Amino acid sequence: DGGITQSPKYLFRKEGQNVTLSCEQNLNHDAMYWYRQDPGQGLRLIYYSQIVNDFQKGDIAEGYSVSREKKESFPLTVTSAQKNPTAFYLCASSPSGGNTGELFFGEGSRLTVL
Amino acid sequence: AQSVAQPEDQVNVAEGNPLTVKCTYSVSGNPYLFWYVQYPNRGLQFLLKYITGDNLVKGSYGFEAEFNKSQTSFHLKKPSALVSDSALYFCAVRDISPMNRDDKIIFGKGTRLHILP
Repeated sequence: DGGITQSPKYLFRKEGQNVTLSCEQNLNHDAMYWYRQDPGQGLRLIYYSQIVNDFQKGDIAEGYSVSREKKESFPLTVTSAQKNPTAFYLCASSPSGGNTGELFFGEGSRLTVL
Repeated sequence: AQSVAQPEDQVNVAEGNPLTVKCTYSVSGNPYLFWYVQYPNRGLQFLLKYITGDNLVKGSYGFEAEFNKSQTSFHLKKPSALVSDSALYFCAVRDISPMNRDDKIIFGKGTRLHILP
C-alpha cells in the first residue's frame, strides 16, 4: 500500500548524541516536510523540501539538519545542538505542481532524551 | 505571513449534539484552508479543505466546515457528534510566497474535542 513510513516509532537518546529519524514515502510526492509536535503548541515546521536536492528551513530549524538525496527519502537529524529535543516528530508529504496543499502524514516518531 | 488561530484548547459536547470547533485565519490573498484530525500517538489525517467555490465544504466522517470571508473564519462542524469523534483537531492554512519559493502548511495549536457519552 502507498504511504509514508517513519522509523523508529520510539527512540531514546542520551544528551550530547545525534540521532537520525527516517521518513520514506512511496506516493511519488515531490514535497516532504518535518514537523515537531509539543503539547499545547500544535505543529511547528522544522524543514521542508519541494524537490530533490533542495530544502528550506522552517520556523524552528536550529539544532536540526536534513537531506533530500532521493525523492522517496527525507531523513531528519536531531543534533546535540538542539536544546530541547524531546518531542513527537511528524513527517509528511504532498504532491506539487499546482497541488492544493493536502498533506499525507506518517505515524510519527517519539524521541525522548534521557 | 499567513496564520490560523484556534481560540479553544478544549471543547466538550454530549454525544448526539451538534459540534463546532472554531478557527479564524489571517491571510493575504485567497486562502487555502484545511482541517486535520489526530488520534493519540498517531499522525494527522486530512478531513477537508477549502480552496474556492461553495462556502460549505463537506469532508470525511460526516464533518463539514463553513468558510466565512467577512468573519475570516473556517469553523469545523458536525450535526451529531459520536464518542469516536473525540480527538485533537487542527486547522491549517497554506502559506505561499512565490518570490522566495516558500510553499508550506501552517497549523494552529489544535483543539481537543471530547464527546461525552
